[in-house]
Amino acid sequence: QKEVEQNSGPLSVPEGAIASLNCTYSDRGSQSFFWYRQYSGKSPELIMFIYSNGDKEDGRFTAQLNKASQYVSLLIRDSQPSDSATYLCAVNRQAGTALIFGKGTTLSVSS
Amino acid sequence: GAVVSQHPSWVICKSGTSVKIECRSLDFQATTMFWYRQFPKQSLMLMATSNEGSKATYEQGVEKDKFLINHASLTLSTLTVTSAHPEDSSFYICSAVPHLAIGYNEQFFGPGTRLTVL
Repeated sequence: QKEVEQNSGPLSVPEGAIASLNCTYSDRGSQSFFWYRQYSGKSPELIMFIYSNGDKEDGRFTAQLNKASQYVSLLIRDSQPSDSATYLCAVNRQAGTALIFGKGTTLSVSS
Repeated sequence: GAVVSQHPSWVICKSGTSVKIECRSLDFQATTMFWYRQFPKQSLMLMATSNEGSKATYEQGVEKDKFLINHASLTLSTLTVTSAHPEDSSFYICSAVPHLAIGYNEQFFGPGTRLTVL
């Protein structure tokens, strides 16, 4: 069974702090890794994706991938109250295939 | 660009009736569309993969006779929940993969349809 695991949270951080979200996956054949943000009652929106080991930065967001450890993380710098949402980690084996999602981590940023 | 719409955005129906949900790619063609379902406090679970011009592929545990999928064109896939029951109440989300996007791995999500069966 291919699984993606995330701590459900809630993860609470003060405004301006760094939020660190973690994800592990069971399928070693996974090739692509995605982070989505989902607000209550809404569809997921893509934050960023990563394919290669190491770090990938996009604005306040940094994704980190370690395929040997089957671990992917998302760092959010200078967290804002508007970042309060559920963050979903997702993986797939190849381009154009369905995503396997984790249950998500709820982030709460207090002002 | 890359907009996916769903209609309706929410629907309330009586138990035993059928409900059709449309998923449209508005500004691109989609060879493949996926249908996901999300129960409260749960993650998105893949229900089926819909390929234009062919039969849908259903995930284990999803009844193909209950959840009818039709992908008649490169811009439209429909999901029909037949004889809906309260346990089918959920948030249904589609996503679309751009046609001929070889190696391109982003899929675009619709806004979702909230189904409530009374």
